[in-house]
Amino acid sequence: ETGVTQSPTHLIKTRGQQVTLRCSSQSGHNTVSWYQQALGQGPQFIFQYYREEENGRGNFPPRFSGLQFPNYSSELNVNALELDDSALYLCASSSGLANEQYFGPGTRLTVT
Amino acid sequence: AQSVTQPDIHITVSEGASLELRCNYSYGATPYLFWYVQSPGQGLQLLLKYFSGDTLVQGIKGFEAEFKRSQSSFNLRKPSVHWSDAAEYFCAVGARGSTLGRLYFGRGTQLTVWP
Repeated sequence: ETGVTQSPTHLIKTRGQQVTLRCSSQSGHNTVSWYQQALGQGPQFIFQYYREEENGRGNFPPRFSGLQFPNYSSELNVNALELDDSALYLCASSSGLANEQYFGPGTRLTVT
Repeated sequence: AQSVTQPDIHITVSEGASLELRCNYSYGATPYLFWYVQSPGQGLQLLLKYFSGDTLVQGIKGFEAEFKRSQSSFNLRKPSVHWSDAAEYFCAVGARGSTLGRLYFGRGTQLTVWP
């Protein structure tokens, strides 16, 4: 059974640019959640996708957007990058909304 | 609003000693509760979860946690710590109802293990 994978591992962008992060969910999982983890902090919920529909969003601006594909993989897009967007971005998948979430290794984004 | 408090930012224990990491939550009903562990530069690994039923739950790597509704706590314990347990530990609350599926995390407790 393949776990949650994320790409790329690391990314360096300049302020104002756009970035796309990718996540492949664990086999059999139909729900993907994205979290932002700033240095020294716990992960913060960005949004969640359930069967290709957004199922809720945390306190993040609209320049954070996402997609879920028919195979349940997902993308996180961030437009107009700001320095404070520098963080570890974690993707988690689950087999439904009420079940435990399994996390990928994350993408470390640095904005300069 | 849901919130999770991990009062201890950093804990140091000797190898072989017992461990208890504290977690308190604020939530209007009985939440789902989780403990995750994160090694440097890595994602989160699920240690254990509480959904309902027996309030003492067993997890991987010899960890256990006890849900105490009256204290709004879900403390993580291990009777004998190994050097490989050094990592950061996160307690999380999973919401029910309209925000089902979201996890709210504490700030984490960094565990150092002395040989």
